Amino acid sequence: GAGVSQTPSNKVTEKGKYVELRCDPISGHTALYWYRQSLGQGPEFLIYFQGTGAADDSGLPNDRFFAVRPEGSVSTLKIQRTERGDSAVYLCASSGGQNSPLHFGNGTRLTVT
Amino acid sequence: GNSVTQMEGPVTLSEEAFLTINCTYTATGYPSLFWYVQYPGEGLQLLLKATKADDKGSNKGFEATYRKETTSFHLEKGSVQVSDSAVYFCALTVSGNTPLVFGKGTRLSVIA
Repeated sequence: GAGVSQTPSNKVTEKGKYVELRCDPISGHTALYWYRQSLGQGPEFLIYFQGTGAADDSGLPNDRFFAVRPEGSVSTLKIQRTERGDSAVYLCASSGGQNSPLHFGNGTRLTVT
Repeated sequence: GNSVTQMEGPVTLSEEAFLTINCTYTATGYPSLFWYVQYPGEGLQLLLKATKADDKGSNKGFEATYRKETTSFHLEKGSVQVSDSAVYFCALTVSGNTPLVFGKGTRLSVIA
């Protein structure tokens, strides 16, 4: 079946611009996670949704970052006034429930010039 | 807080060599432990897991044993193949739905 899909796979934007990154989780998965992976580092947690609501957004670095999941399926990560330090691979993962493994997408590589 | 420390890479081995990638953890509570693998051009995949002390996770010839006394979850494989070349991440979660905390990853290159 289809896995977690992230679009676009690559995004290049100028400093100060606004970007949206999309995640389509596996159908029926209630939990959805966003992570950020910088070069040479492990994935760093950003935010976690259970259904439509953000259950834990403690990893969002500042108020320029925001994520939504209005219908409990697709999620969008939004970054305002992008900075060069935001350049990273943004990973999305979904899970079927407690103690179920996370299934990761291939990520969106964001480059801020 | 919760954290994972894994050995620095890159690790380069010849085919059929023995592999160990060290992982130690710090956790407030009783964690579940995982190894994830990222093959070139692909997303992270769960390789194996263990949810309680002395459990051994295994998959594709890889093994790791949850050692509470040494707070470790070292990854081992007896005979690596070129196709095992990837980045390996150790990770933990303290309760079922809390976010996974990852180590920095260890890049493995296996040469024929």
